[in-house]
Amino acid sequence: GENVEQHPSTLSVQEGDSAVIKCTYSDSASNYFPWYKQELGKRPQLIIDIRSNVGEKKDQRIAVTLNKTAKHFSLHITETQPEDSAVYFCAASMSSGGYQKVTFGTGTKLQVIP
Amino acid sequence: GAGVSQSPRYKVAKRGQDVALRCDPISGHVSLFWYQQALGQGPEFLTYFQNEAQLDKSGLPSDRFFAERPEGSVSTLKIQRTQQEDSAVYLCASSSTQGFYNSPLHFGNGTRLTVT
Repeated sequence: GENVEQHPSTLSVQEGDSAVIKCTYSDSASNYFPWYKQELGKRPQLIIDIRSNVGEKKDQRIAVTLNKTAKHFSLHITETQPEDSAVYFCAASMSSGGYQKVTFGTGTKLQVIP
Repeated sequence: GAGVSQSPRYKVAKRGQDVALRCDPISGHVSLFWYQQALGQGPEFLTYFQNEAQLDKSGLPSDRFFAERPEGSVSTLKIQRTQQEDSAVYLCASSSTQGFYNSPLHFGNGTRLTVT
């Protein structure tokens, strides 16, 4: 099955700096890569996603890049703010047996220091 | 509109007790997923429903775990004879995915199960 590795597991940055989280996946059949933000005690919420026919996608301070050949994708947060502090999960999704299979990374705890 | 709703929010069970966790997906969402999230880990897949059909239960850790979605909307995850290793947050997610198109998962707030 699919295996998603995510690093770093923890990341501390000063407010205003950039943060980068990297993930790799193993199955070339994966074709959809969402990123979720989970604040303490709350539900994971989608922040950005990218499909395999696109190399990069931006939404304000957040961007995601995908390298299909190398099977890795990254989340970039610029001008970080304290409210960006949370755990971030990458995921790789594929269609298998006529439905969607989603495999998550182990998470990155981001701390933005004011 | 309403999101995915899960109940109870917290559940404490004594070892050996049976528990039932409920999930109300977003109305009209065909796909429903259950995930188990241990402390400090990412969600781990348990089972998947497409309408009322359970198409994948490969992630259920043992035969003590059972899930159903009899009318294609509300789903229940049941754990029999709970063990301490079952302690985790159980997340339900739904999506509008049909067939081969992948779409975002919408998660509920989860049920935190503690087995004492």
